[in-house]
Amino acid sequence: EAQVTQNPRYLITVTGKKLTVTCSQNMNHEYMSWYRQDPGLGLRQIYYSMNVEVTDKGDVPEGYKVSRKEKRNFPLILESPSPNQTSLYFCASSLSSGAANYGYTFGSGTRLTVV
Amino acid sequence: GENVEQHPSTLSVQEGDSAVIKCTYSDSASNYFPWYKQELGKRPQLIIDIRSNVGEKKDQRIAVTLNKTAKHFSLHITETQPEDSAVYFCAASSPTNFGNEKLTFGTGTRLTIIP
Repeated sequence: EAQVTQNPRYLITVTGKKLTVTCSQNMNHEYMSWYRQDPGLGLRQIYYSMNVEVTDKGDVPEGYKVSRKEKRNFPLILESPSPNQTSLYFCASSLSSGAANYGYTFGSGTRLTVV
Repeated sequence: GENVEQHPSTLSVQEGDSAVIKCTYSDSASNYFPWYKQELGKRPQLIIDIRSNVGEKKDQRIAVTLNKTAKHFSLHITETQPEDSAVYFCAASSPTNFGNEKLTFGTGTRLTIIP
């Protein structure tokens, strides 16, 4: 089944404790992206990747890191999480970096709470 | 960059009636406009999209219209049913300076269908 898999689904952590949210897609998609969803703010892009080893900042990149060493994986790293990073996170992928041509497939989401 | 505004933020409609959600965008170069539906606790899923060379697209009970001159597009749901209750996001895809496309989302509309 074609899908984007995120782990974990739920995570509660303490301020400053490094964490990684994994994202993997099995559709051979070039384009992958991370979003955070907050009430009243919609989906805001954190980072994106057009292909292996090609990543760039989105609209809200502060406090996050990403890597794209393999085409299928795009982990989101929080080196020192803070309470304002409490949010619902979605990974998404698309066939090409031209999102104009293809819709996004979203992962099932990761609800992160930083205390 | 692109700015997408979405209205209303909440909408309650009697079952069987129609619902309309409107979005405006700022970048005249935007060329692709998808709509996503997010049911409670689920991931956003693409339900319909329209490209800038088309004025209207229909898929059973849902339709999207695009007015490029006014830079707005709308989602129309007819004969609403309880399963239409969800949060709906519009988005606009615009070219960046780096050769890729960027998808910017609206802030979402929570649609409630009243039985």
